[in-house]
Parts: sequence; C-alpha cells; structure tokens
Amino acid sequence: SAVISQKPSRDICQRGTSLTIQCQVDSQVTMMFWYRQQPGQSLTLIATANQGSEATYESGFVIDKFPISRPNLTFSTLTVSNMSPEDSSIYLCSDSLQMNTEAFFGQGTRLTVV
Amino acid sequence: LAKTTQPISMDSYEGQEVNITCSHNNIATNDYITWYQQFPSQGPRFIIQGYKTKVTNEVASLFIPADRKSSTLSLPRVSLSDTAVYYCLVGPLGAGRRALTFGSGTRLQVQP
Repeated sequence: SAVISQKPSRDICQRGTSLTIQCQVDSQVTMMFWYRQQPGQSLTLIATANQGSEATYESGFVIDKFPISRPNLTFSTLTVSNMSPEDSSIYLCSDSLQMNTEAFFGQGTRLTVV
Repeated sequence: LAKTTQPISMDSYEGQEVNITCSHNNIATNDYITWYQQFPSQGPRFIIQGYKTKVTNEVASLFIPADRKSSTLSLPRVSLSDTAVYYCLVGPLGAGRRALTFGSGTRLQVQP
C-alpha cells in the first residue's frame, strides 16, 4: 500500500490570496492526481501530474489558476491562486502504485475562502 | 467510461446487512467494477473490485450478474462506523495509471 501525507489538512484564507497544498508519497510513483470535492459533492479530477513534464488539466481547470509542481517521484504541490469563495472545497491528491490496483488518497485539504 | 447510477442515500440499523446496487448499462468488455468508501474528512478508500460473479473480502462482498449491467455491494452486519459515502466506479484495468471517475455515490447512514 501507499501512504499519502497531505498538508495542510485545513485552512481559512482571504480572497485574492493563494494557498499551496503539499502531497508526499512514501513510495516513488510515476503519476499523481489532484481532485476537488465541493461540499456534499463527488470528486472531480483537476489534473494529472507526471514527474518531469507539465501537468495535464481537465476541462474547466487551467494552469494559471491551479499551478502544479512535480519536482520528484514522491512529491507534488497544487496551488489555488487568487482565491475566491467559490474555491472553498476539499482538495485531494491521489496515486496508484500499480497499473491495475487500487488508488490511494491523501486525507484531503479543506479550504475555506472568506 | 461507463456511466454509473446509484441511490443517493440509504438508511440502515446496526447489525443489518446493507446492499447497495449500482447500474452500469454501458459497461465495456474490459471494464472492472470497483467500490470505494469515503468517511467525512478523509479521502476515498478502496473496498473491493470484481469483474464477474462474486468477490468477497474481509470487508464486503460484490455480486455481479452475468450481463454485468449492474453490481451490488453487500456489507454484512453494519455498524455505526460504516456510515460513509460509497462510490461505484467502472473502468478498464491494464490501461496504465489513470485517474478515477467518480459518480455521485451513495450516502449510507447507519443508526443505532
């Protein structure tokens, strides 16, 4: 199994500011994924982060708003930029160690923008 | 990816068996069925995965009929700690590491 540590676990931020969320995996993994989960809703994929290349973003998400770094095979960050109250959500990172098996998730970052 | 349909919510009592059914009419030949559980303030956690017939592990059973157009997650003798959202996902394996597509999920509330 993989252990994914995500921080901060929660934060309250002022609108217009940015927050960087960190995700650390205890094993080397090729791909990591960032999801958003709005209150009471399901998970929506933001982007896929590969080490050594730019992240691939899903429709509705752009790099200027959600820049992602992937400096090595065990770490990734997601920044929520120029935040507004609509960005209040839970942000989760995920990975699967092997091609055919379960995915592992961090515990999530609960972001509140005021 | 095949679209899934689940009940939005279910209620149960401690000690009862809970069956959550997921419809996936457009499931493809190489698709597997996977269930995840999500507690409040936590990321989803893998429960069980199957392709056909029945799969059982220490947590749950998964029943898949021959046509594979639906599946049923069975939780035996639930407790209060089984209160969570349960997601049914359908997709191919062996396709490389890829992100998961989550449907709306079923919110299970277990009462004492």
